[in-house]
Amino acid sequence: GEDVEQSLFLSVREGDSSVINCTYTDSSSTYLYWYKQEPGAGLQLLTYIFSNMDMKQDQRLTVLLNKKDKHLSLRIADTQTGDSAIYFCAESTDQTGANNLFFGTGTRLTVIP
Amino acid sequence: DARVTQTPRHKVTEMGQEVTMRCQPILGHNTVFWYRQTMMQGLELLAYFRNRAPLDDSGMPKDRFSAEMPDATLATLKIQPSEPRDSAVYFCASGLDQAFEQFFGPGTRLTVL
Repeated sequence: GEDVEQSLFLSVREGDSSVINCTYTDSSSTYLYWYKQEPGAGLQLLTYIFSNMDMKQDQRLTVLLNKKDKHLSLRIADTQTGDSAIYFCAESTDQTGANNLFFGTGTRLTVIP
Repeated sequence: DARVTQTPRHKVTEMGQEVTMRCQPILGHNTVFWYRQTMMQGLELLAYFRNRAPLDDSGMPKDRFSAEMPDATLATLKIQPSEPRDSAVYFCASGLDQAFEQFFGPGTRLTVL
């Protein structure tokens, strides 16, 4: 079955870049996602990438996909204290959209002022 | 603004009691998902509905859990009887088939004593 793995913790200093990594096992993944969960809240979609793309950039966020190695990363430039949260990688093999998402364990990002 | 709502936000109950959690998906969304989040297991998909029909409830313990959509504006998740190991945060999410985002509610934090 699908397996999505992430490291559990990451600490960075305010203003530095953060890189959160994710590996997945299902080679038929069509979409890969990054969700953010702030304390006491539900998950919120940050960005997604289609499997035929290598990179996607959206303001301070850069997503890199290495499909050969099944490796996905999220880079946050100029990390702010408001970026402190849990970041979930997720993948879907559904051709039609965001159904049947498989989530990783989440990476807790702590931004040190 | 449109958002997924869940009630109650917090529930404390004793082992053996029935628990009902409710979710109001975003108006017009035709897919609904129930997830359970624990420290040990992370985020697990319990059930998934499309157009009110259950498509996948393989992640749900069938002997005590049940999920229904009485109408398009209400999804329910029931646990009967509840057990301490059911203590978790239960999230509902909704979306549109063939779209890329699931919109999460704020969650119901369940504690079973």
